[in-house]
Formats: sequence, C-alpha cells, structure tokens
Amino acid sequence: DVKVTQSSRYLVKRTGEKVFLECVQDMDHENMFWYRQDPGLGLRLIYFSYDVKMKEKGDIPEGYSVSREKKERFSLILESASTNQTSMYLCASSLVQGMTDTQYFGPGTRLTVL
Amino acid sequence: GDSVTQMEGPVTLSEEAFLTINCTYTATGYPSLFWYVQYPGEGLQLLLKATKADDKGSNKGFEATYRKETTSFHLEKGSVQVSDSAVYFCALEGGSYIPTFGRGTSLIVHP
Repeated sequence: DVKVTQSSRYLVKRTGEKVFLECVQDMDHENMFWYRQDPGLGLRLIYFSYDVKMKEKGDIPEGYSVSREKKERFSLILESASTNQTSMYLCASSLVQGMTDTQYFGPGTRLTVL
Repeated sequence: GDSVTQMEGPVTLSEEAFLTINCTYTATGYPSLFWYVQYPGEGLQLLLKATKADDKGSNKGFEATYRKETTSFHLEKGSVQVSDSAVYFCALEGGSYIPTFGRGTSLIVHP
C-alpha cells in the first residue's frame, strides 16, 4: 500500500515564524501536491511538483514556497507565518506525470498560527 | 477553467436510508471523475472513480455513473451506516492532469 506521511499532526507557531511542513511518500511517485483545507472552501492547491527540483504554482501560492530535493520528499515552507495561514494542510502524491491517476493523501497537519 | 459543484451539507440521514450526493462539473474534453472520502481526523482516500462516459464506479456499496450529457457524477448508496459518516469530495482530472476538487459534503448518519 502507498503510504504518505506528514511530519506533524498538530503544530502551533507564532506570527512571523518560518514554518516547515514535511511530506514523504514511499512508492516512487513522480507527482506530489500540497493543499490547504478550510471549512466551506474545500481543498485548494498551493503547489505541486512533477519531478525532483521541479515546482509549479497552484491556485493559492502566495505566502508559501516549496522544496523537492529528493523524489520521495516534498516540503512546504511558510516564510513568515501569519494568522490567515491557520488551516489543515494536506500532502498528496500520484504515480506518473501526464496521466490521470488516483491521489494518495497523508493524514494532514493542523497548523495554528497565533 | 475546470470546476466541480457539490450539494451543500450537512446531509443528515438515519441508518439504512438511501443516500444521494449530487456532483456536477465543468471541464473541456473528457475528464476522469473521482469521489474521495475523508473520515474524521484523517486525510482523503479514494472511494471510486470513472474514466469515461457511462462508466460506473463502485466501492463499499457506493456507486456513481459518469453522465456526460448532464455533466454529472452523483454518489449513491442504497443503505447507509453510521460508519459512513464522513466528508465526501467530488473531483475531476482533465487535460491539465491537475485535479480539481469540490468543496465537500458532510454526511452524518444517526443510529
């Protein structure tokens, strides 16, 4: 079974802190995604990556950056956390670029910015 | 661009009732369609999918049929259980291969 793990289930940070959210998948998937989930808004795509060192902006990239140095790991970075970034963050992966495919999700990180 | 519209929730049912959650979409071409489920405290997991018109996806008693003429992919189950309480997301993946999700529909099933 594919496993997608996220470094923390719950995280509390202060405004202005730099925050790192880590995601690791163990099935050699090419595609990785970061979403945020907010009540009434569903899932919104922040960034995605089709390959190592490759990244593309999603629908709401402002205030975020990403890093993919290894195929299995995709990090989301909040350069200077703000209270409006309090949310549930979900990482996902899928097998092959350029193909319609099932997404596999991690359990999520609930981030609170005070 | 692509979009997915789901019925707003929460949907509240008694155990063994019939379930329908409506989903319609807008997309160019012939997207693949998905239903994902999110149980409390967990990430999303695939429930079922259909990749072409008139295909029926099914899993765990849930079904959805890809209707190109009505651009719909409604989720149905004949008899819900308390354990089906969750949030259900309709999604599509079109020519860009970037998935688009609906806003989710919360289902609450009472004993």
